[in-house]
Amino acid sequence: ETGVTQTPRHLVMGMTNKKSLKCEQHLGHNAMYWYKQSAKKPLELMFVYSLEERVENNSVPSRFSPECPNSSHLFLHLHTLQPEDSALYLCASSQGGGDRSNEKLFFGSGTQLSVL
Amino acid sequence: GQNIDQPTEMTATEGAIVQINCTYQTSGFNGLFWYQQHAGEAPTFLSYNVLDGLEEKGRFSSFLSRSKGYSYLLLKELQMKDSASYLCAVVDSNYQLIWGAGTKLIIKP
Repeated sequence: ETGVTQTPRHLVMGMTNKKSLKCEQHLGHNAMYWYKQSAKKPLELMFVYSLEERVENNSVPSRFSPECPNSSHLFLHLHTLQPEDSALYLCASSQGGGDRSNEKLFFGSGTQLSVL
Repeated sequence: GQNIDQPTEMTATEGAIVQINCTYQTSGFNGLFWYQQHAGEAPTFLSYNVLDGLEEKGRFSSFLSRSKGYSYLLLKELQMKDSASYLCAVVDSNYQLIWGAGTKLIIKP
């Protein structure tokens, strides 16, 4: 397998559930990202990890909890979500460590999350 | 505030040419990206511009004018498979990516 893989592709959960999204990259990259994509809105950066250290956390509610156990894996733990959290959650990776201006992102296909 | 503007939706005919515009107001500029995203799929990199001018890559070209805060993506010889959303993103002075909301391109036979 190559690229960035996300599981599950689809997730329906109630507001009291706890679930986790998983992302794995096979590109040897050093940086990994979580983005939220809502219909007709710009991508919202949630978290950035560089060399397994969280370097950005963009005022995301605490009901979203990221985990990066190694440079190839990234998780997003979800608990007590709200219906407005329904969206496509995209994971991405990039080379990291170099010229950040031209660093392109490699995205997974995302997890389509519905909160009931 | 920082802002990226792109048309929400465009329609074009198979075999034709379409130009998707992107205007930006950001705190500084360190480059501009275009990504393509088919429905239900991952966004994929199309182009990167940091200097003024036109960059051509097969049927796709991307243009940048830094003085005007303006870029466009030009798609030639449109094919049905070009139906997708096209995302514009600018790297600001803090190396943060500022994203537009995307342009949904519909190709008709």
